[in-house]
Amino acid sequence: EAQVTQNPRYLITVTGKKLTVTCSQNMNHEYMSWYRQDPGLGLRQIYYSMNVEVTDKGDVPEGYKVSRKEKRNFPLILESPSPNQTSLYFCASSFGRTNTEAFFGQGTRLTVV
Amino acid sequence: AQSVTQLGSHVSVSEGALVLLRCNYSSSVPPYLFWYVQYPNQGLQLLLKYTSAATLVKGINGFEAEFKKSETSFHLTKPSAHMSDAAEYFCAVRKTSYDKVIFGPGTSLSVIP
Repeated sequence: EAQVTQNPRYLITVTGKKLTVTCSQNMNHEYMSWYRQDPGLGLRQIYYSMNVEVTDKGDVPEGYKVSRKEKRNFPLILESPSPNQTSLYFCASSFGRTNTEAFFGQGTRLTVV
Repeated sequence: AQSVTQLGSHVSVSEGALVLLRCNYSSSVPPYLFWYVQYPNQGLQLLLKYTSAATLVKGINGFEAEFKKSETSFHLTKPSAHMSDAAEYFCAVRKTSYDKVIFGPGTSLSVIP
C-alpha cells in the first residue's frame, strides 16, 4: 500500500529537549516536504527536498532542521524546541517531475511545554 | 507570490443541501489547483485536482470543482451534503510541478441533520 508514515503520532516534550519526527514514503517520490498546521493559518511549509541531499527552506524554517540521506526518508529535527512550535505537523511526498498531488502522512501532534 | 483565499472559515449546511466552498487564487499563470479534505485526526486526502485538461473536475465522494480563469476561482461543490462530509477542506495551488503547494486557510464544513 502506497503511504507516507510519520512517527510518532503524538509527542509531548519540554522546552529545549531535542527531538526528531520521522517520515518515510514507499512510493519512490522525489519531492518531500514538511508542513505545520495551525488554526486559521492553514498549512505552512517548513522545509522541502527535491531529491537526496537536496533540501531548501520553506516559509517557516526557523527552529527546524531536515536531512535527506535516503530517498524514502525525510526526518524533521527540532534541536531546541520552544512552545511556539506546538503544532500539528505533516509530512508529504510527491513526484517532482510531473503534476501529481502530494500524499500526506497522518500527522504528528507536538506539544512543547 | 501566489496565494489562496477561502471565503468562510466555517460553513454549515443541512443534510441533503448543496455544498459550496469557495476558493480564489492569485497567480500570473494558470496553476495546478487542488482540493484536499481532512477528517478529524487524519492527514489530508486529495479530493480532486485541476491540471488544465478540463475546467470542470470531478473528484471523489461526489464532489466537483470548476476552474474559472476569468474569476481566478476554483469553487468546490456537492449537490447533496451527507453527514460524512463534515470535515476541514483546503484549497491549494501549485504553479508548476516543481513548486511547493500553497494551501488556503481551510474551511470547516458542518452538516446539520
